[in-house]
Amino acid sequence: DAKTTQPPSMDCAEGRAANLPCNHSTISGNEYVYWYRHIHSQGPQYIIHGLKNNETNEMASLIITEDRKSSTLILPHATLRDTAVYYCIVRAITQGGSEKLVFGKGTKLTVNP
Amino acid sequence: NAGVTQTPKFRVLKTGQSMTLLCAQDMNHEYMYWYRQDPGMGLRLIHYSVGEGTTAKGEVPDGYNVSRLKKQNFLLGLESAAPSQTSVYFCASSSGWPYSNQPQHFGDGTRLSIL
Repeated sequence: DAKTTQPPSMDCAEGRAANLPCNHSTISGNEYVYWYRHIHSQGPQYIIHGLKNNETNEMASLIITEDRKSSTLILPHATLRDTAVYYCIVRAITQGGSEKLVFGKGTKLTVNP
Repeated sequence: NAGVTQTPKFRVLKTGQSMTLLCAQDMNHEYMYWYRQDPGMGLRLIHYSVGEGTTAKGEVPDGYNVSRLKKQNFLLGLESAAPSQTSVYFCASSSGWPYSNQPQHFGDGTRLSIL
């Protein structure tokens, strides 16, 4: 699995967009980019994932650069409940066997009132 | 919707005691995983299973055993608990191949303290 690099912490004002960057310069052609977040006292929560194209769902948008070496998670209107540690993960899709996620240290996002 | 359920939510053990953590999922997922999370570190994979009756080692398997006798359950065992195994344990499940790009769904964790 390719390694990812994220800033250790970020701040965002409530109601503004939160843009969380991730570098994955060693990503290979069959590897997806996944974003999860972890709020204290809960299990990690899936947010979004993508391969090449930009993706959007009810929680967030994922922008992947054309060379796929980096991506940005966008929370369009951050709320206080979005305060969490956000993990960018790159995972290979293999047939039959070694499915696994490798979590780094993530980005601690603090949404301020 | 239950999703992934972990039992128990909290437990305190003495060094040398044994216990089993239970993970149950109701999504008919093929793959199941056990992670641990320690302060200042990301989640680390202990063991995983790609189907009923199969298990495999993850990053930090030592001191743990697992079993997947039924598709919906994944058990994590500590035969002789050590203080270094004090951690928060998370179970997850996901669809298997050929839907392998689907995300993992996590339980809310088991907080285990070894004295």
